[in-house]
Amino acid sequence: DTTVKQNPRYKLARVGKPVNLICSQTMNHDTMYWYQKKPNQAPKLLLFYYDKILNREADTFEKFQSSRPNNSFCSLYIGSAGLEYSAMYLCASSRLGGRFAETLYFGSGTRLTVL
Amino acid sequence: GDSVTQTEGLVTVTEGLPVMLNCTYQTAYSDVAFFWYVQYLNEAPKLLLRSSTDNKRTEHQGFHATLHKSSSSFHLQKSSVQLSDSALYYCALSLYNYAQGLTFGLGTRVSVFP
Repeated sequence: DTTVKQNPRYKLARVGKPVNLICSQTMNHDTMYWYQKKPNQAPKLLLFYYDKILNREADTFEKFQSSRPNNSFCSLYIGSAGLEYSAMYLCASSRLGGRFAETLYFGSGTRLTVL
Repeated sequence: GDSVTQTEGLVTVTEGLPVMLNCTYQTAYSDVAFFWYVQYLNEAPKLLLRSSTDNKRTEHQGFHATLHKSSSSFHLQKSSVQLSDSALYYCALSLYNYAQGLTFGLGTRVSVFP
């Protein structure tokens, strides 16, 4: 079963409030990713966990946090939401197999609207 | 940094006719893999094709693509589209040996009309 699940599907948040998005996978994949997708823009990698090691992109380092309490779950946390955080957030996972470039398996996304 | 360019935002095509989606890239690395992902409405993006071998044709579900490193291209083609091919198509690249995920293009939306 190649399934990545994201909850919730839609989320409303108020400016200045925290937001927590959840992702899970049952494929025992080593790596889990979070992408942000805005209209007319390419999906943008925010951060990823390789096992227990968190890697955050330099330009979003201070805007997003994440945790991975076990292999299956990964969360994306926004401490204080701003209007610019409104976007689709895609979670993905992959099995890092040595020299093989990963095939990513995506969830259906969480559409976050900040008001 | 690495980049992927998809020149068409929207492609409209009549059922049964061919389609080609353009994808070009820039990367300083030689050990790179290339992907086409397809996203149907309200579904997750999923892998359609992948390749890392120069000048080798890769096929899946009637689509095919050939990596041409000489022209930095990985165009996606289908000889006869179906209504069910209407979707958003992303071209992407990934580096070998590094868990850095994918660098995506903007995506091309394909609308197939009867």
